[in-house]
Order: sequence, then structure tokens, then C-alpha cells
Amino acid sequence: SQQGEEDPQALSIQEGENATMNCSYKTSINNLQWYRQNSGRGLVHLILIRSNEREKHSGRLRVTLDTSKKSSSLLITASRAADTASYFCAPSSGSGGYNKLIFGAGTRLAVHP
Amino acid sequence: DGGITQSPKYLFRKEGQNVTLSCEQNLNHDAMYWYRQDPGQGLRLIYYSQIVNDFQKGDIAEGYSVSREKKESFPLTVTSAQKNPTAFYLCASSPVPDRGPGANVLTFGAGSRLTVL
Repeated sequence: SQQGEEDPQALSIQEGENATMNCSYKTSINNLQWYRQNSGRGLVHLILIRSNEREKHSGRLRVTLDTSKKSSSLLITASRAADTASYFCAPSSGSGGYNKLIFGAGTRLAVHP
Repeated sequence: DGGITQSPKYLFRKEGQNVTLSCEQNLNHDAMYWYRQDPGQGLRLIYYSQIVNDFQKGDIAEGYSVSREKKESFPLTVTSAQKNPTAFYLCASSPVPDRGPGANVLTFGAGSRLTVL
């Protein structure tokens, strides 16, 4: 198992702007997941990108994966106040044994009306 | 609706007391997990279970105990041996551990906030 490291730690933008957050990891992966956590709540799965994929879209979310740089990015387009939350990445190795997800400190996104 | 239910949402404990946090899921998931989250920090894995009657320690298991007598249930006991138990506790489940790329997508409960007085 390995932990992803999100960057920046905090991001503050205005409604309508795009938000980009990044994730770096250390060893090879089978897939990488992004989760969202509203304040005081559990995490919610947003999107999973496999190691053989370079880009994936889901609504206003766009995730990219660069396995050569061991990094991923999450782009939220046309952000809304309701997007205010913490965002976590979780790289997954799935190396044949049990694979548990480890979460870093996340990126705290604040979207101002 | 399928999901994970954690209870209680808020819990206060006096020092020296054991408390048990409940986690129930009706998703028919095999694997269940307990995480601890401290303010402004990430999630740290306490215990996880792949199958009934089996569980493994995570990164911070000391002072905690679990049981997995039923597929649907994975209660966590915070014992008096846990020196700093005040935290937000999250339970999660996944379909089948490590069976392909989507198998370890986690579904989380709403969390239980424990405060030691």
C-alpha cells in the first residue's frame, strides 16, 4: 500500500473558476482513485482511473494520470460553492495480496460565491 | 437504500472507559475497514477485515479492537489503552478486496465523532 500526497494543501477560488489539484505517489500502481469529503462527513468516491488510461471525465471532473511522473491531477471545471470540500487521492497497487487504500491529508478547496 | 450506517454520530467518553462504535452495511460487501481522522489530517487505517471471522491490524491498531462475526457488521472498540482517542472515526466497505481495478472502491459511512472528557 502507498499513500498519495495531494498538492496544494489548500485552494481558494471564486465560483465559475476551474480548480486543479495534484497527487503524487511513489511506486507503480494499478489504478488511482479520487474521493471527496464534505466537512464532518464520510468520503465519497468520485472517479477511478486505471494505469493504462491517461484521462477520464465524469461530469465537471477531469482526471489525468501520468505514470511516468507518478502523478495525477483532478480538474473541477466551472466550480460551484457546493464543490467546497476536501479532496483525497488514493493510489492502489493491487499487487496480488490484499490492497488497502491509504489517504493523505488532502486538498481543502474553498469556492466563494 | 444500500449503504453503511455508523452509530452513534457523536459520543463522549470519560477517561478509562471503553466505548464501542457500530458499523453496519447492507451492500453485501466482503471487506470492511476502520479509519481514524484527526483535524486537518488524512485518514489512518486502524483495522480491516476481508472476510467474516478474520481481520488484520492496520497502521494504528494499538488501543483498539474489532470483531467480524457477521458479514454486515464490523464494530470497533476504543479501549482505555488508547491514549488519545478523541478523533473522527470512519467505517468503510468494499466489494471484494483486490479482485481487479474497481474492487477496492470504498463506500464510507457518515462517521462517528468521539470526544474524551
